[in-house]
Amino acid sequence: DTGVSQDPRHKITKRGQNVTFRCDPISEHNRLYWYRQTLGQGPEFLTYFQNEAQLEKSRLLSDRFSAERPKGSFSTLEIQRTEQGDSAMYLCASSLGQGLGQPQHFGDGTRLSIL
Amino acid sequence: RKEVEQDPGPFNVPEGATVAFNCTYSNSASQSFFWYRQDCRKEPKLLMSVYSSGNEDGRFTAQLNRASQYISLLIRDSKLSDSATYLCVVNAGFQKLVFGTGTRLLVSP
Repeated sequence: DTGVSQDPRHKITKRGQNVTFRCDPISEHNRLYWYRQTLGQGPEFLTYFQNEAQLEKSRLLSDRFSAERPKGSFSTLEIQRTEQGDSAMYLCASSLGQGLGQPQHFGDGTRLSIL
Repeated sequence: RKEVEQDPGPFNVPEGATVAFNCTYSNSASQSFFWYRQDCRKEPKLLMSVYSSGNEDGRFTAQLNRASQYISLLIRDSKLSDSATYLCVVNAGFQKLVFGTGTRLLVSP
């Protein structure tokens, strides 16, 4: 499968624990994005990488959230001291190219449930 | 006001019907536009990009009206498999996509 892959698919954890998600983009894509989606809403932008550089972060990304893309390939999103409000689907997407018109391709997502 | 607004529906239509969704966006600097489809508990999948001249892909036609800041999607000859949530998406710069809440379509036999 050459699409965007995310791991794990599901994560259930207790409030206060740390969690880390991984995203492997489509191999030739230099741009990688993280989004969060809650029930009944569209995905909301969290952060964006071009190669290894994190170029934009949403105000939704509190200090408890950190994302990395150390070698410009896969990315990780870590949430520290999880709260119940962090329960959501975390989606990763990737795209290719320099222009704004390039569509983003999404992975299956990681569904996080905080007990 | 939300950056991208859509009627959440649901739109209930019989097979074979034609259905249209509209979406408005608030940022006049928006530069690229898309429709994504999302099935229940699945990831969004690109349906089509939307161009100023309008574009068609089989039974699907998308239109963009920059002056009025709205985007439309027309689905002809609806199939049961078209049942999904349709997300209107705008790229307002800086590479982030802004999604509407989605319009739910239910096609019945």
